[in-house]
Amino acid sequence: EIVLTQSPATLSLSPGERATLSCGASQSVSRNYLAWYQQRPGLAPRLLIYDASSRATGIPDRFSGSGSGTDFTLTISRLEPEDFAMYYCQQYGDSRATFGPGTKVDIK
Amino acid sequence: QVQLQESGPGLVRPSETLSLTCTVSHYSISSGYYWGWIRQPPGKGLEWIGTISHGGGSYFNPSLKSRVTISLDTSKNQFSLMLTSVTAADAAVYFCARGAAGSTWYDCWGQGTLVTVSS
Repeated sequence: EIVLTQSPATLSLSPGERATLSCGASQSVSRNYLAWYQQRPGLAPRLLIYDASSRATGIPDRFSGSGSGTDFTLTISRLEPEDFAMYYCQQYGDSRATFGPGTKVDIK
Repeated sequence: QVQLQESGPGLVRPSETLSLTCTVSHYSISSGYYWGWIRQPPGKGLEWIGTISHGGGSYFNPSLKSRVTISLDTSKNQFSLMLTSVTAADAAVYFCARGAAGSTWYDCWGQGTLVTVSS
């Protein structure tokens, strides 16, 4: 099983600021098969990024993903009010997909 | 736009079987994609349960595999989850979702349904 860690656990920022979220894997993620999701309270997760850097349909270009191997990053270039939420990474390069514990982006 | 909706009992007794159904709208599940179940205990993170392909092939989280069945009903455009011998640890919000492969990202999700395990 590939274990994912996310840092920081909480990120306190103001609207308009840049957010940088990290996801680390216990072993290399095959073919960089890593996704990022946003989850607002009481709602289902929303796919933002897949294959480490491909933006999902309808996702604003202020969201970008990067990284390879065991280290991945989600960047939100300028935080909008609706971006304050929980963010999860997920690897699917292994036959057993796993999720990270999440990073909460809250308003400073 | 494809829509998914979970349905099923919100309360299951310990040792019994949890059964949920996901109804898919605006897309025929036999046409393609993979159809999965993910759960989230209250206040906690996400756990992948398993996925079934449009052709009926299935893929499971090894930690749950012995208790999980996922099936398709193409006549109703639904897919279902059965989880046997439930315990309090199985209490969670259960989501159904659409994916691209057996182990995959999920681009469309149902709203989720809360299942409580209690006698």
